[in-house]
Amino acid sequence: DQQVKQNSPSLSVQEGRISILNCDYTNSMFDYFLWYKKYPAEGPTFLISISSIKDKNEDGRFTVFLNKSAKHLSLHIVPSQPGDSAVYFCAASENTGNQFYFGTGTSLTVIP
Amino acid sequence: EPEVTQTPSHQVTQMGQEVILRCVPISNHLYFYWYRQILGQKVEFLVSFYNNEISEKSEIFDDQFSVERPDGSNFTLKIRSTKLEDSAMYFCASSGTGTGGNQPQHFGDGTRLSIL
Repeated sequence: DQQVKQNSPSLSVQEGRISILNCDYTNSMFDYFLWYKKYPAEGPTFLISISSIKDKNEDGRFTVFLNKSAKHLSLHIVPSQPGDSAVYFCAASENTGNQFYFGTGTSLTVIP
Repeated sequence: EPEVTQTPSHQVTQMGQEVILRCVPISNHLYFYWYRQILGQKVEFLVSFYNNEISEKSEIFDDQFSVERPDGSNFTLKIRSTKLEDSAMYFCASSGTGTGGNQPQHFGDGTRLSIL
């Protein structure tokens, strides 16, 4: 039951360019979406979120876009920096206190 | 910045033994969770805990698993009789200050459980 999918296992981007990470979901009841960043040997670190009432949320270099009709969200990082190299997980839930469903992650490498 | 802490960072246990993984959630959070990640696979939900009881659990969370909040700060996951397939990274998370609205879950750095 892959309710949240990240179809690109890896992505390489030149420093300074835009990184675009994609995520698709199947459950129309999801109303809260998050991106987490994970370094090896550490837990997922919350990056940015978006509620279903919005279609865009921005925080510094990070912007999340939500297309509810397509059940698709994306994370844009601009400009990309070498320190952004990590695994990025998309997650979704139906409500506060409910479980998050995670995608399988996309490993981003930003090349200096 | 407050954070979720987990101990131990690595636990090695013989198959069939009991293991307890410990977590100290962020102090003003109300919701607590356990997730696991088997090597090379996605992060999977195990259980959520609110108001001193389980609020949701997955099919992975069978009778071998239990959770407890023995005092005001610790949140534990017990596996009664470990199996080889329990080997994974176990993440604790917490969320929810009760002020309303969607809030992210904050994760600890995990306990790597190795069953021999």
